[in-house]
Amino acid sequence: KAGVTQTPRYLIKTRGQQVTLSCSPISGHRSVSWYQQTPGQGLQFLFEYFSETQRNKGNFPGRFSGRQFSNSRSEMNVSTLELGDSALYLCASSLEGSARGQPQHFGDGTRLSIL
Amino acid sequence: GEDVEQSLFLSVREGDSSVINCTYTDSSSTYLYWYKQEPGAGLQLLTYIFSNMDMKQDQRLTVLLNKKDKHLSLRIADTQTGDSAIYFCAESSDQAGTALIFGKGTTLSVSS
Repeated sequence: KAGVTQTPRYLIKTRGQQVTLSCSPISGHRSVSWYQQTPGQGLQFLFEYFSETQRNKGNFPGRFSGRQFSNSRSEMNVSTLELGDSALYLCASSLEGSARGQPQHFGDGTRLSIL
Repeated sequence: GEDVEQSLFLSVREGDSSVINCTYTDSSSTYLYWYKQEPGAGLQLLTYIFSNMDMKQDQRLTVLLNKKDKHLSLRIADTQTGDSAIYFCAESSDQAGTALIFGKGTTLSVSS
């Protein structure tokens, strides 16, 4: 069974640009969550989608947005990029979400660097 | 509020046991997880425990949960150099909903 797939693996952007990251969950998983990992702040929850609806949202500005498609694939968008957005962005999928005790399985992430 | 604390570093010799500790503050925690992250990779789920359990064993891994003290530990028996990585403790809770709250991670260094 294929794991969580994130594309691209690496991205370099400049300040003010926007970026879209993609995540394909494990087959059959309906919940997709996004996390940001930085050396200073560690792993922080961005948002979670389930059945094409945002079910939970972390404490990030509105520049960070996402969506989920009918096949459970998800995209995350960051607009007006700032230097502080440089991070590893991780996607995780689970059957119905960790609130129901179903573990989240992570992809290898997208490393975003802002110049 | 939710907070998960871990010690930052642990150094052991190959063949010894490693014990990585974690404390959490959210009394409504439902499940607690251990993840492993190797350089350049994402998070690998190692094991998880429901909050009404005291212990869970899975091959070389033993998880102990003291709910009264809100303390979680991961013991790795017969530690190998391939176990060198960052280990993250995470909790899910009624308060956090579907989000996982992570500790800052413990870097395990195994020397031969």
